[in-house]
Amino acid sequence: DQQVKQNSPSLSVQEGRISILNCDYTNSMFDYFLWYKKYPAEGPTFLISISSIKDKNEDGRFTVFLNKSAKHLSLHIVPSQPGDSAVYFCAASNSNSGYALNFGKGTSLLVTP
Amino acid sequence: DSGVTQTPKHLITATGQRVTLRCSPRSGDLSVYWYQQSLDQGLQFLIQYYNGEERAKGNILERFSAQQFPDLHSELNLSSLELGDSALYFCASSVSHQFGGGADTQYFGPGTRLTVL
Repeated sequence: DQQVKQNSPSLSVQEGRISILNCDYTNSMFDYFLWYKKYPAEGPTFLISISSIKDKNEDGRFTVFLNKSAKHLSLHIVPSQPGDSAVYFCAASNSNSGYALNFGKGTSLLVTP
Repeated sequence: DSGVTQTPKHLITATGQRVTLRCSPRSGDLSVYWYQQSLDQGLQFLIQYYNGEERAKGNILERFSAQQFPDLHSELNLSSLELGDSALYFCASSVSHQFGGGADTQYFGPGTRLTVL
């Protein structure tokens, strides 16, 4: 049962433009959400996170938005750079049950020059 | 570099065999998590240890087991291996607050690629 879904397997964006990656979840008990970036043959690298008590968190070029009523979060990358090309995973956890991460299946982002 | 180390990087073995994967968490982190990434299932949580004790279990097969030692490193043991066990196995670590105590970011190691022939 996939509790975290990333419905776009891939996304292509021009350098300098905004990349928007989307994620939906079904479990209302999730209270912490994270985005990871992954290159082939490497482990996921933590990018940014947001607690369920917030609706926005910003770190440099990366901003995560959380809409709890819609059970939806998004990652905005502005401006996009070719080095951002990677697979992005959305993950969610419930702090009352050990913080195990539930991952989406990932979105492959390609930023073209 | 996340500070989480995993050995070996690659492992090739035969069906029916047993292997042990090793993970050293970041300095100061008390929790260790194991995840499996296969082509069709994505990243799946297997098991979590906190300061030597099992804390949470996910979709871990009975043929698999894990432990966390007093120095906080962890080992994942996979036995009676089947072709379908071929996957990337990731370890992650975190500081890990008490339940409900707030956010807890996990940092991942580079993974062990297991191939069962």
